[in-house]
Amino acid sequence: AQSVTQLDSHVSVSEGTPVLLRCNYSSSYSPSLFWYVQHPNKGLQLLLKYTSAATLVKGINGFEAEFKKSETSFHLTKPSAHMSDAAEYFCVVSDSGGSYIPTFGRGTSLIVHP
Amino acid sequence: NAGVTQTPKFQVLKTGQSMTLQCAQDMNHEYMSWYRQDPGMGLRLIHYSVGAGITDQGEVPNGYNVSRSTTEDFPLRLLSAAPSQTSVYFCASSYSGLAGYNYNEQFFGPGTRLTVL
Repeated sequence: AQSVTQLDSHVSVSEGTPVLLRCNYSSSYSPSLFWYVQHPNKGLQLLLKYTSAATLVKGINGFEAEFKKSETSFHLTKPSAHMSDAAEYFCVVSDSGGSYIPTFGRGTSLIVHP
Repeated sequence: NAGVTQTPKFQVLKTGQSMTLQCAQDMNHEYMSWYRQDPGMGLRLIHYSVGAGITDQGEVPNGYNVSRSTTEDFPLRLLSAAPSQTSVYFCASSYSGLAGYNYNEQFFGPGTRLTVL
């Protein structure tokens, strides 16, 4: 069965410093992986997705993630945090073994200090 | 396009009351789903549908019913509300991939915040 683990429930950074949000997955098949962002009192918005094309995926707002099969990881990064990046981030996995029903991680809250 | 719309935005119910959360999408997506979001739990799948007339249970289906009579609409019914159903509910839709399976990103509605007293 597929699963996903977000390794940090909260990450705190200063504005202008790099962001790293960690995600490990488990899948017996070729997975699709996604990162979504949720700003306070809003719905979820897709940041980026990996579906077996390039392993380095670029998303919106300067975010990117690298699919590392050997490490079963799909960490989200951004070179320089902005105050508007403060939000909840979700890593999601889906594969054919789970009939492509997506499994969500529990979320990482990104806090950005001025 | 309006995308995915949900009504109401907020609702307060008393234990035992019933209600329907509405969800509609105008993107002609085949795949629709309902999630609940609770603090520290991420999103948990309640029910989903791969097309009109086809629904199935997700991870936490108890206490909820769904139907899908049209491609556009996917209402969620609470038959007898309980305090444990206090949550934020999100509807999502997606176009399907190969053979009817969904491996594409989902589009989310703005959510319904439900409180059951």
